[in-house]
Amino acid sequence: GAGVSQSPSNKVTEKGKDVELRCDPISGHTALYWYRQSLGQGLEFLIYFQGNSAPDKSGLPSDRFSAERTGGSVSTLTIQRTQQEDSAVYLCASSLGGVTEAFFGQGTRLTVV
Amino acid sequence: RKEVEQDPGPFNVPEGATVAFNCTYSNSASQSFFWYRQDCRKEPKLLMSVYSSGNEDGRFTAQLNRASQYISLLIRDSKLSDSATYLCVGGFNQFYFGTGTSLTVIP
Repeated sequence: GAGVSQSPSNKVTEKGKDVELRCDPISGHTALYWYRQSLGQGLEFLIYFQGNSAPDKSGLPSDRFSAERTGGSVSTLTIQRTQQEDSAVYLCASSLGGVTEAFFGQGTRLTVV
Repeated sequence: RKEVEQDPGPFNVPEGATVAFNCTYSNSASQSFFWYRQDCRKEPKLLMSVYSSGNEDGRFTAQLNRASQYISLLIRDSKLSDSATYLCVGGFNQFYFGTGTSLTVIP
């Protein structure tokens, strides 16, 4: 499809395990965002990639969280040693860059048990 | 201080009512603004862009007040299907989301 694709759509993991979440942005979109949304809460900014610039990591909640964007396209969000409070929907969005319309993927629902 | 702030609500209004949401932004250099809609357990989707001159799309009107640094969304003749969370977005070189305002339209 032509939209933002995230995988997996659902992930259940045991506390202490590492997880990787994947985001395929829309082709040609240079900006990519990761957000986290807990049930009934607003979007929590995690990280922002723009082209080849250094990413804005100011939203990452701890050093257990990291993200990469390879070749300016696919991005992976990694959570190490998962905790129960990491349970949330992780949303990825991409845009043409700057403050232009962003399109969201359907999210990955992460449950840490 | 958050880049973008909005009243979380909830707003509970009867069908046919007019409801308005405001959102303030802290960076006076912010250039572009949008309103997104998020349905329960779904991803946010663009509702409309906000232009300096204000813009209207059917029952929805968006306005920007640069002097006071706020944007607004007006929904006229509310429908049950308008029930959702409305998120404002703005920024300078990257965008920032407000936490959203919850709207429930009651029959």
